[in-house]
Amino acid sequence: NAGVTQTPKFQVLKTGQSMTLQCAQDMNHNSMYWYRQDPGMGLRLIYYSASEGTTDKGEVPNGYNVSRLNKREFSLRLESAAPSQTSVYFCASKESGRYYEQFFGPGTRLTVL
Amino acid sequence: AQKVTQAQTEISVVEKEDVTLDCVYETRDTTYYLFWYKQPPSGELVFLIRRNSFDEQNEISGRYSWNFQKSTSSFNFTITASQVVDSAVYFCALSDLRVGANSKLTFGKGITLSVRP
Repeated sequence: NAGVTQTPKFQVLKTGQSMTLQCAQDMNHNSMYWYRQDPGMGLRLIYYSASEGTTDKGEVPNGYNVSRLNKREFSLRLESAAPSQTSVYFCASKESGRYYEQFFGPGTRLTVL
Repeated sequence: AQKVTQAQTEISVVEKEDVTLDCVYETRDTTYYLFWYKQPPSGELVFLIRRNSFDEQNEISGRYSWNFQKSTSSFNFTITASQVVDSAVYFCALSDLRVGANSKLTFGKGITLSVRP
């Protein structure tokens, strides 16, 4: 039982390049989330997916797109990376309902030059 | 709109001192959940505790205790006899109104705790 896995762990991009961050969970959770963490800003929600086939914007969605490929996988795409997207990205998943805690992946450290 | 305020940004203590991390929240919901997460230097986020708005009993787990006071909208976290391994960033979070799969968490900005030997 691996929990939430993310790939890659580290990535360096040049401005304008594109990339996809992958996330997968093996806990059969319906809900999945993408956050970014920046110094002094806490965790900010980029996009989330309540269930397979649905996605919604979070607090900071600009510059990102997501795909809920199936129940297990939720990917985050940067179409044209900008230095402002340098951050640590976390994926999380949880059971449906407010009661349940979110389980987080190990994070991806992204640097955009 | 929901908001979580962790006014302390950095705290430094000497090992064995007690330390309290403050969390104040704002919500118009009558039913909500509060959470604490720990992020050690290795970077992963670890769930510590969940508390619902109807349960104001304090919770103790070993050296950790939590004080939930609805009257002051606070959910504070105390570490007794701190240890170097407690050094981490601690986040308080609040669940939103929507019941079901759309539940989101609003996080505070985190408190960096450093415990010196």
